[in-house]
Amino acid sequence: QVQFVQSGAEVEKPGASVKVSCKSSGYTFTTYTIHWVRQAPGQRVEWMGWISVGNGDTRYSQKFQGRVTITRDTSASTAYMELFSLRSDDTAVYYCARSEEGRHLDYWGQGTLVTVFS
Amino acid sequence: EIVLTQSPGTLSLSPGERATLSCRASQSVSSSYLGWYQQKPGQAPRLLIYGASSRATGIPDRFSGSGSGTDFTLTISSLEPEDFAIYYCHQYGSSPRTFGGGTKVEIK
Repeated sequence: QVQFVQSGAEVEKPGASVKVSCKSSGYTFTTYTIHWVRQAPGQRVEWMGWISVGNGDTRYSQKFQGRVTITRDTSASTAYMELFSLRSDDTAVYYCARSEEGRHLDYWGQGTLVTVFS
Repeated sequence: EIVLTQSPGTLSLSPGERATLSCRASQSVSSSYLGWYQQKPGQAPRLLIYGASSRATGIPDRFSGSGSGTDFTLTISSLEPEDFAIYYCHQYGSSPRTFGGGTKVEIK
């Protein structure tokens, strides 16, 4: 069955960067798009961006443009999200999720808690 | 960006009752690309409805979605104990994709 396993919780200082991984299984990795979404305490769920796994094209929310990079390693069926210049308000649970191109998010990873504090 | 407003914020109901959740968009949602998710504490959101009215795989038929344009509704016909959770709407017709603020369905 379709499954995503994300990397473990991270604690970072302000100004640092964090890289979260998302390993997929149970389907053909290259035929879908992987999105990254975050959920901060008391805040709305926010969409950060996506990567088209087959050709590597990316698109980012303007809010995160220049501060986030989404990549993938097709040989490892793994996608990555790296967020730079961390601030305390980046403290959130970060999720990867899958979609067909332009469609709904159907399967999600279990989430990775990133805590930013000094 | 499209802002999604969900109402009510909290719905207090008893098992067996009907739940009606609303999601209103600030602009028309393209091609009814509107989904509904259920989230329980410590878990990832789970897809219930996509395309405004299509049930996802394995979702019981007590869950139904309707609406188009700017007004969408999720209905749970008869609440089961496992349905008490937070529900989010999500539009994926325009970039950036956006989510509603959620409706908590709690036991009365």
